[in-house]
Amino acid sequence: AQSVTQPDIHITVSEGASLELRCNYSYGATPYLFWYVQSPGQGLQLLLKYFSGDTLVQGIKGFEAEFKRSQSSFNLRKPSVHWSDAAEYFCAKGDSGAGSYQLTFGKGTKLSVIP
Amino acid sequence: NAGVTQTPKFQVLKTGQSMTLQCAQDMNHNSMYWYRQDPGMGLRLIYYSASEGTTDKGEVPNGYNVSRLNKREFSLRLESAAPSQTSVYFCASSEFGGSGNTIYFGEGSWLTVV
Repeated sequence: AQSVTQPDIHITVSEGASLELRCNYSYGATPYLFWYVQSPGQGLQLLLKYFSGDTLVQGIKGFEAEFKRSQSSFNLRKPSVHWSDAAEYFCAKGDSGAGSYQLTFGKGTKLSVIP
Repeated sequence: NAGVTQTPKFQVLKTGQSMTLQCAQDMNHNSMYWYRQDPGMGLRLIYYSASEGTTDKGEVPNGYNVSRLNKREFSLRLESAAPSQTSVYFCASSEFGGSGNTIYFGEGSWLTVV
């Protein structure tokens, strides 16, 4: 079965520090990979996605992620965290197979930001 | 720009009661989805509708039914609610089906079954 692993349940960083959230996925021939962010009481908002091509993907709010096929990873990074980045982050994987509609989500990483 | 709208936002049900969660999108999307979110579990797909007139089971369909009323609306029904269905429910849509398409989520419906 497909799986997406986010090893860190909760991360705390200081405002202005750099951030890296880890995501590993089970192997898929051509994975579609996503990072979503969820603020408390809100729905999920897409930060960025990888389908193919350049393995370094830029997203909204200054986030980027790097696809590493050899490590089955798609880690999310931000060089300088802002207090407003405190939220829960979800990595998700889809497959390119015809008729495949299901995204598999990781269990999420909650980010706390210390002023 | 409303996007995906769900109602109600909060609901408390007694075990055995029934209810319907309503969802509408105004983006002219073809595909719609219902997910549930439980603490520490991420999001799991309940049902989806690849296009108007079709519905299919996702990962956790037991205890639920869905109706794709028209292109805009996709409802989720709990026929006989159970405490295990206490969860946050998200409706979502995408322009086309296929997991390579960006999914847009509603703000969620908090359901408690007592």
